[in-house]
Amino acid sequence: EVQLVQSGAEVKKPGESLKISCKGSGYSFTSYWIGWVRQMPGKGLEWMGIIYPGDSDTRYSPSFQGQVTISADKSISTAYLQWSSLKASDTAMYYCARRYSSSWGDWGQGTLVTVSS
Amino acid sequence: QSVLTQPPSVSGAPGQRVTISCTGSSSNIGAGYDVHWYQQLPGTAPKLLIYGNSNRPSGVPDRFSGSKSGTSASLAITGLQAEDEADYYCQSYDSSLSGSDVFGTGTKVTVL
Repeated sequence: EVQLVQSGAEVKKPGESLKISCKGSGYSFTSYWIGWVRQMPGKGLEWMGIIYPGDSDTRYSPSFQGQVTISADKSISTAYLQWSSLKASDTAMYYCARRYSSSWGDWGQGTLVTVSS
Repeated sequence: QSVLTQPPSVSGAPGQRVTISCTGSSSNIGAGYDVHWYQQLPGTAPKLLIYGNSNRPSGVPDRFSGSKSGTSASLAITGLQAEDEADYYCQSYDSSLSGSDVFGTGTKVTVL
């Protein structure tokens, strides 16, 4: 069974850094793209970017380029999303998902990030 | 701002048929890229409902169907049930955004 298990909820202050994780299991982690999706409170889904863990090829949505960093550690089947300096507007639920063909077939449970002073 | 436009809401009585449109352009749906649909129940992660325009993953009831024509796609729900009350999103690929996946604006389905 394919599973994507994300790290727990985070509460941070503006300006702090953060790295959240997504651990894949039940499939060949290095053979599928993993992506990140943002959902701000009461809003829709926004595609942030993707990484291919096999060779760390990474692509970002223009809206998120330079705002976040996506990485992966294939030795532990884990993908990451990180911020160097959080803003209040980063408050959102973040989902990781596995890309199969051009669709997102498997999703993590989500990580809620709250940024507040 | 999403490049795939959906109606904010649709509603129907139990047993009725509802459709949700997803309107794109020549750089995404019209360029021949596949459209996929997701269902997001309240408080949960999205779930793949339709892939490759009209295919259902295992376990998805055949009450859900998808189609695509030109620069648009549609999701139909027949025999609407209370458990279908959720947000629905279309998704495709857009070649004009440095090559990005894009989601639709989302549609809230309400069962009356």
